[in-house]
Order: sequence, then C-alpha cells, then structure tokens
Amino acid sequence: ETGVTQTPRHLVMGMTNKKSLKCEQHLGHNAMYWYKQSAKKPLELMFVYSLEERVENNSVPSRFSPECPNSSHLFLHLHTLQPEDSALYLCASSPLGLAGLYEQYFGPGTRLTVT
Amino acid sequence: KQEVTQIPAALSVPEGENLVLNCSFTDSAIYNLQWFRQDPGKGLTSLLLIQSSQREQTSGRLNASLDKSSGRSTLYIAASQPGDSATYLCAVPQERDAGNMLTFGGGTRLMVKP
Repeated sequence: ETGVTQTPRHLVMGMTNKKSLKCEQHLGHNAMYWYKQSAKKPLELMFVYSLEERVENNSVPSRFSPECPNSSHLFLHLHTLQPEDSALYLCASSPLGLAGLYEQYFGPGTRLTVT
Repeated sequence: KQEVTQIPAALSVPEGENLVLNCSFTDSAIYNLQWFRQDPGKGLTSLLLIQSSQREQTSGRLNASLDKSSGRSTLYIAASQPGDSATYLCAVPQERDAGNMLTFGGGTRLMVKP
C-alpha cells in the first residue's frame, strides 16, 4: 500500500467501550498528526508527533490518548467517549525539515459514531 | 490565535464557468498556505502549496494566489467541471510553531452542475 492508511474506516462504539484508531504511513515521513472533523466545525488539530515525540496536544480531553511507537505508525486510543466526540478522525503525515516547506498528506479518515 | 475564514461557504455554478474561492487569515506570520480538496466522507487531497515568499502557484486548471500582508488567498478554478464538485479547504501553519501545525478554514462546498 502507498500513502496514508487508516483503520477502521467506520467505527460505532458505546460510551463505556475502549477502542483504538490506527494510522500507517508508507511515505517515509517523520511527523504525524491527528485531526478531528466534526459536522459544522472546521478541522481541528488534536496531536502532533515529530520523530515519535509528542509536540502538541492542543488541550484535547484525556479520554483521547495518542501513541506513536515508530515513525510509520500512529494510534489514537479512545475510552469513555461522549456522543459529541462523534466525528471524522483524520491522520496526516509530512516530512520534517524547515517548517513550511512540506505538504501534509492525509489518510481517508475513520468515521466514529459514539452511541 | 490564528483564525481562517472561507467565503462563500457554498457555491453552485454551471459547468464551464470560471470561479474564485476566497480564504482570509488573521495572522500574517505564516510559512505557507495550502489548498485542499475533500470529497464527501473522504480524507483531504492537497491541491496547491504556496510558500510565504511566493505570490501564486498553478496546477492545471487551478491557480492559487497569496497576499500575505493583507491576509488573503484565492483559488481560481478555470472552466469548471462536474468532477470539481467537492469541499475546498485552505489551511495555514503558524510561523512560530514546530511541526507544521495547520489551522483550517471552514471550507467552501462547491457544486458544478452539468
């Protein structure tokens, strides 16, 4: 596979469940990102990992827990979510280097519904 | 805090028209500006990236301009086609930040009618 892949593509979970979203990039990049896209709100940056170290968490609730075990994989662990967390969760990656030179490449997203 | 606004929020045009999408940002201290396309329920596809030192970028029927000092960018689509129907997003990173953290506008939803 090429590019940025995300699994699962769709997920329905109850508020007491624990689940994980997975992102994998095959582009040789060393920065990875989680974004949340809710209905009627702009895309919001949640987490940034640079060389597997978290750079930014943007005041995200602790019920979202990211993990970046290596430069190719990124996870978002979910527990005790709320219905308002239902959204499209997008993963992206980019090369590192002089900031601003490189594009971010996005995966297809995971459509999450919390019931 | 950077804020990005896109106007119009939605646009419907007949096939063949030339059109302009607008993006404005409040903090001009940016490294670059990116335009993306998003099809319904899908991820984002990067269309054009304009560096802060550039005035415009072209790719096929797309032309993006950047006026950093006034905090504005436009995406020009020539000879629109039904396949251009999608949501178009602009995004800027903050100059002071590491990791190319993007702030997105709300998008323009474009419908091109055959």
